[in-house]
Amino acid sequence: KNEVEQSPQNLTAQEGEFITINCSYSVGISALHWLQQHPGGGIVSLFMLSSGKKKHGRLIATINIQEKHSSLHITASHPRDSAVYICAVRSAGNQFYFGTGTSLTVIP
Amino acid sequence: KAGVTQTPRYLIKTRGQQVTLSCSPISGHRSVSWYQQTPGQGLQFLFEYFSETQRNKGNFPGRFSGRQFSNSRSEMNVSTLELGDSALYLCASNWEFFGPGTRLTVL
Repeated sequence: KNEVEQSPQNLTAQEGEFITINCSYSVGISALHWLQQHPGGGIVSLFMLSSGKKKHGRLIATINIQEKHSSLHITASHPRDSAVYICAVRSAGNQFYFGTGTSLTVIP
Repeated sequence: KAGVTQTPRYLIKTRGQQVTLSCSPISGHRSVSWYQQTPGQGLQFLFEYFSETQRNKGNFPGRFSGRQFSNSRSEMNVSTLELGDSALYLCASNWEFFGPGTRLTVL
């Protein structure tokens, strides 16, 4: 049983396209995180959400607590956005569950 | 502010040995969480320390342990290493700021 499900698993986009990655979870959460991992391993936390919507540059993250669903949007995608994007939830009991990641490739 | 540091960055051990990894969180942060990442299982939560106390633990055997010092630096220890322990071990400061990881290879 996966507490966090992400889709799609792989995504290829042309530069400039609008991208959406979806995340559904089954546990009660205190926070949801969107993480970015480039080849080589380093992880960067893009957003930490407990409600509503957050925006940072070309990235937008939304969460619907009632539907247990979050989306990460990338507007005007760029080749440097190519990375693995991981959805993670911190449960009310402070356990941390990860999605399997979405591998994004943006072609110039 | 300096970021999260992990040492060593790379490590090669043989089966049966033990290993200790270190994580220094961002100054002022009291929570350190540890994760294992493998190609087969992805990212998995190991445990979290806050103010020198283990607050939460993931589903890993007792060979995996940790501790936190009064300056918030944390160590994790893996005893009796198995081939399957080969992984990237990451720590995070206050759940949000990740270190670069320690890549452990068990031969």
